[in-house]
Amino acid sequence: DTEVTQTPKHLVMGMTNKKSLKCEQHMGHRAMYWYKQKAKKPPELMFVYSYEKLSINESVPSRFSPECPNSSLLNLHLHALQPEDSALYLCASSQGTGSDTQYFGPGTRLTVL
Amino acid sequence: QKEVEQNSGPLSVPEGAIASLNCTYSDRGSQSFFWYRQYSGKSPELIMFIYSNGDKEDGRFTAQLNKASQYVSLLIRDSQPSDSATYLCAGSPTNKLIFGTGTLLAVQP
Repeated sequence: DTEVTQTPKHLVMGMTNKKSLKCEQHMGHRAMYWYKQKAKKPPELMFVYSYEKLSINESVPSRFSPECPNSSLLNLHLHALQPEDSALYLCASSQGTGSDTQYFGPGTRLTVL
Repeated sequence: QKEVEQNSGPLSVPEGAIASLNCTYSDRGSQSFFWYRQYSGKSPELIMFIYSNGDKEDGRFTAQLNKASQYVSLLIRDSQPSDSATYLCAGSPTNKLIFGTGTLLAVQP
């Protein structure tokens, strides 16, 4: 089973709202990732968690705040977003970091008004 | 210089033909390479990975890796309209995937 789940599928929020994206995997993977993808562009890495610790932050603005409550869950807290933050947000997981295969969830389509 | 490069396409092939998708990379530290398929509005789906020189076959798909030439390719035999999608090539020189910009494949019925 290579399933990564994400909720919600769609999210519309105003610039003053606070919301959270959720990701879950039950494959025993120890690395989890957040990506942002704009139309006709490849996924852009935001954060990497390895063994529940943040290992990579790709200079993401502080209005995005990741959290890894346990080895199966990954959250992305959103606050004071801008319209240009509208995108497809993808979660992925892999057995480890480095060259291990990453499996993507279905994504959350975020629209910021 | 981009670390992973792909022709953005579109690559148009007739149904039943072989589609050939190509990717070059600049970092010789990359050990593994991945091909993902992405339908419009959907998330990337793993098609194949390869880490040894040569060919790797899985059904209608064959991945080819040439480390000396820093070249990765994906062949799709008997192309079907359902194969129409963007194909992303990715390498892993460090603790993260580096994606190419993707090639849009259009299979014409």
